[in-house]
Amino acid sequence: DQQVKQNSPSLSVQEGRISILNCDYTNSMFDYFLWYKKYPAEGPTFLISISSIKDKNEDGRFTVFLNKSAKHLSLHIVPSQPGDSAVYFCAASALKSGGSYIPTFGRGTSLIVHP
Amino acid sequence: GAGVSQSPSNKVTEKGKDVELRCDPISGHTALYWYRQSLGQGLEFLIYFQGNSAPDKSGLPSDRFSAERTGGSVSTLTIQRTQQEDSAVYLCASSLVRGQGTQETQYFGPGTRLLVL
Repeated sequence: DQQVKQNSPSLSVQEGRISILNCDYTNSMFDYFLWYKKYPAEGPTFLISISSIKDKNEDGRFTVFLNKSAKHLSLHIVPSQPGDSAVYFCAASALKSGGSYIPTFGRGTSLIVHP
Repeated sequence: GAGVSQSPSNKVTEKGKDVELRCDPISGHTALYWYRQSLGQGLEFLIYFQGNSAPDKSGLPSDRFSAERTGGSVSTLTIQRTQQEDSAVYLCASSLVRGQGTQETQYFGPGTRLLVL
């Protein structure tokens, strides 16, 4: 049972346009959400996060939106650049007993930005 | 400083053999995580170490999988009697933990690509 779902395995966008990557979750206990970016043969790298007390967080060209009522978040990249081509993972976490947060990851969306 | 390193980068083994995968976390990071990514799948949590606390092993798929973390630093993931379905990329991550209930960014290593023939 997937608790974090990225229903689009791939997305193709023209350079300069907006890329919108979507993520849905089912666990209402999740209160912290992250996006990671992964290039081939490398580990994922942290991109941006958002706490459930916010509905938007912005960092340069990257903005994450959170809609708690819909259990949906999205990552917007504006403007998209060819170097943004990578696999993007959505992750969500909730406080576990013992005080730890262990993110649950989606399957990823492969973004291709065409020059 | 160096990031998270993992070795070997690639491992090919025969079904039934044991394998050991190594992770060197970022110096000073007290939390260490193992994940695996099978083809077309997301990152599947395996095990979590935090300081001297008992590890969270809730993600280990079978008793063929085990992990140790010696001296609060280097970790070894061992898979005994490997099966073809164990073929995956095994990723290690580490993070600082400033206090209970705080969110910390995970820093991932490049992974070990395991192929079981």
